[in-house]
Amino acid sequence: AQKVTQAQTEISVVEKEDVTLDCVYETRDTTYYLFWYKQPPSGELVFLIRRNSFDEQNEISGRYSWNFQKSTSSFNFTITASQVVDSAVYFCALSESYTGGFKTIFGAGTRLFVKA
Amino acid sequence: DSGVTQTPKHLITATGQRVTLRCSPRSGDLSVYWYQQSLDQGLQFLIQYYNGEERAKGNILERFSAQQFPDLHSELNLSSLELGDSALYFCASSVRDSPYEQYFGPGTRLTVT
Repeated sequence: AQKVTQAQTEISVVEKEDVTLDCVYETRDTTYYLFWYKQPPSGELVFLIRRNSFDEQNEISGRYSWNFQKSTSSFNFTITASQVVDSAVYFCALSESYTGGFKTIFGAGTRLFVKA
Repeated sequence: DSGVTQTPKHLITATGQRVTLRCSPRSGDLSVYWYQQSLDQGLQFLIQYYNGEERAKGNILERFSAQQFPDLHSELNLSSLELGDSALYFCASSVRDSPYEQYFGPGTRLTVT
């Protein structure tokens, strides 16, 4: 069955600390896609990254980096030198094919507090 | 600004009523997705349309229905509303029907009293 687990409900760090948000997924498909989204206090959902199941290369974008490991079914997200503006809820999501389309399920989210 | 628009921003209605939420995708996007975000259920995928055709259905109740029109805007109809339907309803769009990055609208907050 399709499932995304974000075991960390809330994380609190002090500015400039590095923080890693964990994401573990379950799927029976060999072709699937993984995403991270950010939901700041204003409420909108902001796309951060998309990875397909055949691309295990890690990615770095500025202070953000992602570690995709199929062997452990994990897609973890690290923020380096965190800033107050990083305070938000972060969602990991999994998309797989479903009746001709794609169904996306989201993890429960991790609320990150970055204190000045 | 993602380029996806949703109206109305807020909606307050009574149990048993019917409402329609509207979504206009980003220019050029053919796929529209609807999601419900509530405190107890989290973010749940409801339904996907691609170029007017239904492509995937998630946890959408039978009281809910959606469609995508020729101009690609989409409407989500919620009927016989219950208190538990109170939630934030997001629409997202993407270029293709495969799960490319989805751009989310600001959401419609529905309150059922």
